[in-house]
Amino acid sequence: DAGVTQSPTHLIKTRGQQVTLRCSPKSGHDTVSWYQQALGQGPQFIFQYYEEEERQRGNFPDRFSGHQFPNYSSELNVNALLLGDSALYLCASSFNLHEQYFGPGTRLTVT
Amino acid sequence: QKEVEQDPGPLSVPEGAIVSLNCTYSNSAFQYFMWYRQYSRKGPELLMYTYSSGNKEDGRFTAQVDKSSKYISLFIRDSQPSDSATYLCAMSVDDYKLSFGAGTTVTVRA
Repeated sequence: DAGVTQSPTHLIKTRGQQVTLRCSPKSGHDTVSWYQQALGQGPQFIFQYYEEEERQRGNFPDRFSGHQFPNYSSELNVNALLLGDSALYLCASSFNLHEQYFGPGTRLTVT
Repeated sequence: QKEVEQDPGPLSVPEGAIVSLNCTYSNSAFQYFMWYRQYSRKGPELLMYTYSSGNKEDGRFTAQVDKSSKYISLFIRDSQPSDSATYLCAMSVDDYKLSFGAGTTVTVRA
């Protein structure tokens, strides 16, 4: 049984560019949440998707947007990248609002 | 004041010792409490998930929640070098958004 998968593993972007990160949830899970983890900090909640709708959003600007597909996979898009967006981006999946299981993350470096 | 405060460590213990990790929180509405383990440059791994107050044991791990004091703990018995990692506490009001502590880095010396 595959766990949560994320792609790409690592990418480098330039300030002002746009990036799309992808997540496939654990089998049987229908809810996907995205988190940003800066170095030495705990993850910060970005938003959560359920039934292809954004259900809840954290304190992140509109430059951060997402999407959930009918197969429950999800994308995180970040526009107009800033140096401060450099972080580990984590996807977590869950079923019926219980335990959230995290993927390995995508490490984004903005130069 | 942060919503979730966690002892920053780092914590270094000899193999076989008991590791004690703690978090305090300010939001009395939290009712779901979790502990995650995160190895360097990896995603967090769920260790313990508890609802409301009380104790929960799973193998060498024991989680305690004291809602009256807004305090949660994780104990690791018979610690092993493979337990060396960063431990994150997390909590939630409604199982949607998780609020995390900053993490405690633990090293178990062989």
